[in-house]
Amino acid sequence: GAVVSQHPSWVICKSGTSVKIECRSLDFQATTMFWYRQFPKQSLMLMATSNEGSKATYEQGVEKDKFLINHASLTLSTLTVTSAHPEDSSFYICSARAGAAGNNEQFFGPGTRLTVL
Amino acid sequence: QQPVQSPQAVILREGEDAVINCSSSKALYSVHWYRQKHGEAPVFLMILLKGGEQKGHDKISASFNEKKQQSSLYLTASQLSYSGTYFCGTENNYGQNFVFGPGTRLSVLP
Repeated sequence: GAVVSQHPSWVICKSGTSVKIECRSLDFQATTMFWYRQFPKQSLMLMATSNEGSKATYEQGVEKDKFLINHASLTLSTLTVTSAHPEDSSFYICSARAGAAGNNEQFFGPGTRLTVL
Repeated sequence: QQPVQSPQAVILREGEDAVINCSSSKALYSVHWYRQKHGEAPVFLMILLKGGEQKGHDKISASFNEKKQQSSLYLTASQLSYSGTYFCGTENNYGQNFVFGPGTRLSVLP
């Protein structure tokens, strides 16, 4: 299957700092990229959907100014957690889809574990 | 709206069968199935589109009952490698409202 990478794999930061997570589709062009957040033993909660060249669509309850998403190209999307706090600690996973929905699966990155001290 | 999955968890012996159900209160366009192992990203299993699809690969298959607004994932002759959390994801309309279910934790014991 297609490969999606995330960088970094994990990050530990101090409260108040900003953290950027990159998501890349390595061998295909991703029309759409998704950002999820997952707490231990829970489901993946969609945070936002981004299409290349346009503004991300955020899910209800997700602060746009706190979780900045940029989808600059068909192979790269970034999530920046601004002014991180301990409650932002979580497992962040991106996924990428080559075409429209329906019969196109999402390919997931390996995830980034964020710990805010 | 998040689909409902049942059971929440299941423990099997190697070689036994299991069924995981995913249902929605709204009409579904597609159902996606993924498996996630602890600490890893979800891995795609299959997609079923409305129209009553059934699909299978190796000993894992799934069906989609559009009328009942539900899908079932069938694991036959379970292997140890089947252990993990299974998520269904549903779409209500083409390209819209994709949301994952809460997951079903499957443990296969030797």
